[in-house]
Amino acid sequence: DIQVTQSPSSLLASLGERVTITCQTSQSISNNLNWYQQKPGQAPMLLIYYATSLQTGMPSRFSGQYSGRSFTLTITSLEPEDIANYFCLQHYSAPNTFGAGTKLELK
Amino acid sequence: EVQLVESGGGLVQPGRSLKLSCAASGFTFSNYYMAWVRQAPKKGLEWVATISTSGSRTYYPDSVKGRFTISRDNAKSSLYLQMNSLKSEDTATYYCARHSSYDYWGQGVMVTVSS
Repeated sequence: DIQVTQSPSSLLASLGERVTITCQTSQSISNNLNWYQQKPGQAPMLLIYYATSLQTGMPSRFSGQYSGRSFTLTITSLEPEDIANYFCLQHYSAPNTFGAGTKLELK
Repeated sequence: EVQLVESGGGLVQPGRSLKLSCAASGFTFSNYYMAWVRQAPKKGLEWVATISTSGSRTYYPDSVKGRFTISRDNAKSSLYLQMNSLKSEDTATYYCARHSSYDYWGQGVMVTVSS
């Protein structure tokens, strides 16, 4: 199984701050990684698919990049509505596996 | 608007069974593989099952193989998860999701396995 290591597990940030979350996979998955935002009691929402593509309707302050086995989600300027949990998913091979999640909180 | 709505969760004793349902709307259900994913309390997400468009092919991780059965009714745009021989470690929130891209998820349903 492909292991996905997500960091940090929690993050304190201020409004307007640039935020970066990382997922590292145990083997190459090309660009087969998605990023999600999840708020308490709500369904996970797709933010970024195939590592760099912004899902329709998601704010442009969210972006994804990757290099080799390292994937990053960046929020260029944190907004109050961005306070949530974030996780990544590799869909390159079965079983599909997830990062452990990052809890983003306001400083 | 794509919607996935799970139901059927609850408290169940170890060794008993429970069947979850997921009602889909807003897209052509029969065109998509579907999946169940779960998240145990304070744990990460775990893929639980996948089913092909026709239902002829199903896939499971070892942790649930032989105990869980995924099925679908395309006429009703519904997905199911039959869970047998439940264990305490199956306690989790269960989500249905549109597979391959996992682009849409339901809000989840809680399953608690406890005596």
